Amino acid sequence: EVQLVESGGGLVQPGGSLRLSCAASGFTFSSYAMGWVRQAPGKGLDWVSAISGSGGATFHADSVKGRFTISRDNSKNTLDLQMISLKAEDTAVYYCAKGHRLGGSPYYFEYWGQGTLVTVSS
Amino acid sequence: EIVMTQSPATLSVSPGERATLSCRASQTISSNLAWYQQKPGQAPRLLIYGASTRATGIPARFSGSGSGTEFTLTINSLQSEDFALYYCQQYNSWPGTFGQGTKVEIK
Repeated sequence: EVQLVESGGGLVQPGGSLRLSCAASGFTFSSYAMGWVRQAPGKGLDWVSAISGSGGATFHADSVKGRFTISRDNSKNTLDLQMISLKAEDTAVYYCAKGHRLGGSPYYFEYWGQGTLVTVSS
Repeated sequence: EIVMTQSPATLSVSPGERATLSCRASQTISSNLAWYQQKPGQAPRLLIYGASTRATGIPARFSGSGSGTEFTLTINSLQSEDFALYYCQQYNSWPGTFGQGTKVEIK
């Protein structure tokens, strides 16, 4: 059974930093791309970042480029999202999601974690 | 960036009836379209990929169609558990943008 468990969310002040993690199990982690998708309170889904199975290719939405960095550790089956210079508009539930292929072209997400809430406020 | 537009924003349907949801892409995306269902307080769940292929475990009353720029999700004989939010997502080019969602509510 595929399981994705996010952690690391919380309250942070504007301009602050936070690191989200996602622990994956139930599949061959290194064989699949992964991504982060967020959802602001009462709003729709917003694609944030993605990374290929090897970790060699990463992609970020323009809204987070230069501030967020996605990475993975295939030896530990973990996915991370390092967030710096956080803004109020980054407030959202952040979902870790499993891509449907190794990498290359964009992917849809077969499985999603339950999400972790990030609140950026003073 | 490809913009995905869903319509209507809200769809009121009686149980047992059919719901038809639309998703339009701002440029052609072939059949690289997925549909997700999201219930309150839950993560999204994949319903359809490749515009028309049901994901594992998805009931046959869910069907998808379309290609290019126009796509449809049809839910036949709506069950109580189908009242939820539905999102489309294109995965033809980066970033893999989502539509703004359609809420299917009980009429």
